Amino acid sequence: KQEVTQIPAALSVPEGENLVLNCSFTDSAIYNLQWFRQDPGKGLTSLLLIQSSQREQTSGRLNASLDKSSGRSTLYIAASQPGDSATYLCAPISDYKLSFGAGTTVTVRA
Amino acid sequence: DAGVIQSPRHEVTEMGQEVTLRCKPISGHNSLFWYRQTMMRGLELLIYFNNNVPIDDSGMPEDRFSAKMPNASFSTLKIQPSEPRDSAVYFCASKFGQAGRHGDTGELFFGEGSRLTVL
Repeated sequence: KQEVTQIPAALSVPEGENLVLNCSFTDSAIYNLQWFRQDPGKGLTSLLLIQSSQREQTSGRLNASLDKSSGRSTLYIAASQPGDSATYLCAPISDYKLSFGAGTTVTVRA
Repeated sequence: DAGVIQSPRHEVTEMGQEVTLRCKPISGHNSLFWYRQTMMRGLELLIYFNNNVPIDDSGMPEDRFSAKMPNASFSTLKIQPSEPRDSAVYFCASKFGQAGRHGDTGELFFGEGSRLTVL
């Protein structure tokens, strides 16, 4: 069974600081890995999908890296803004199944 | 393009009552998932449909839970009878393709969820 760990569990930073969110998983035989954002009381919004053949994926201020062999992915958010405050979830994908970590809750202070 | 649509957004019911949650996946998507989210257990996969056929229902907690997908644009999750421990947010998600097949990016799109409270 895939176990996903996200560190840190919570993070509070001043606006403008860069964020680094870590995700580790136990089974490296994954298909892809997806990062999501969840706002309180809302559904999950897809941020980035990294294919297993890729090492990183970028979208605007977001950059995610993937190291399958070591079972790790990192999400970088540059120049954080108060609107980035949310819970970020990592989900490695094996076959059709996504396994979720508990998430990292980010607070960006204005 | 409309995203995954779920209804109702909120449901409060009494123990023993039947609950039906509904989902309309994104048009063109042929894979549909039901997840449950609680503070204690996080996100759990309940059931996965591909081309309207249930492929994996190993996450369905017990016989009180059932799910159907009568066509490509509609799915239901039913709980009968409901219990307080079923209180959670239930998410529906959809994607295109099937793992391992060409064209399957694996990117999953979620609905806003149905928050269920069983008293």
